[in-house]
Amino acid sequence: AQKVTQAQTEISVVEKEDVTLDCVYETRDTTYYLFWYKQPPSGELVFLIRRNSFDEQNEISGRYSWNFQKSTSSFNCTITASQVVDSAVYFCALSEVGGTASKLTFGTGTRLQVTL
Amino acid sequence: DTAVSQTPKYLVTQMGNDKSIKCEQNLGHDTMYWYKQDSKKFLKIMFSYNNKELIINETVPNRFSPKSPDKAHLNLHINSLELGDSAVYFCASSQENQGSGGYTFGSGTRLTVV
Repeated sequence: AQKVTQAQTEISVVEKEDVTLDCVYETRDTTYYLFWYKQPPSGELVFLIRRNSFDEQNEISGRYSWNFQKSTSSFNCTITASQVVDSAVYFCALSEVGGTASKLTFGTGTRLQVTL
Repeated sequence: DTAVSQTPKYLVTQMGNDKSIKCEQNLGHDTMYWYKQDSKKFLKIMFSYNNKELIINETVPNRFSPKSPDKAHLNLHINSLELGDSAVYFCASSQENQGSGGYTFGSGTRLTVV
């Protein structure tokens, strides 16, 4: 069975600090997809990134960067120079491919609070 | 244009009532989902439909009955509502049931049972 662990329940940082959100996953499949979603206080789920299991290249998008390491089954997200607008709950998720259906398995989320 | 739209956005109802939440996607996706987010923010899949066919039912009580009249719509009907059903319900869609194309979520329906 697939599982996603986000050990950090809540993180508080001061604006302009860098912050890393940890994500560790478990799966028996060799082909899978990893995702990050952001849920701001308004409640919607905002897609941040999708990564397939064969692509371990790190990715940067604006102030976000992602580090995917299959050796440690981790897919961490770093926010550089954090801003108050980054305050949200961040979810890491895993989708296995194969069989009759796929589904997203979410971690429990990390609440990020950025203050001035 | 909203890709995945859910109605209503908020729903407050009394215990024992029956209610429905509607979901429509205009992305041409084949697969649609219902996810439930509880008060602790935990997100868990409830159902998945592929081309109107139920393919995932994650041990959800029988009081919850999804219906997909066509592949662009997936509605959720809940009978005999209980306090524990209070949650945010998210509809989502993906291009195929493998999920490799990613998932698009609706904005959620906050259900409060009083």
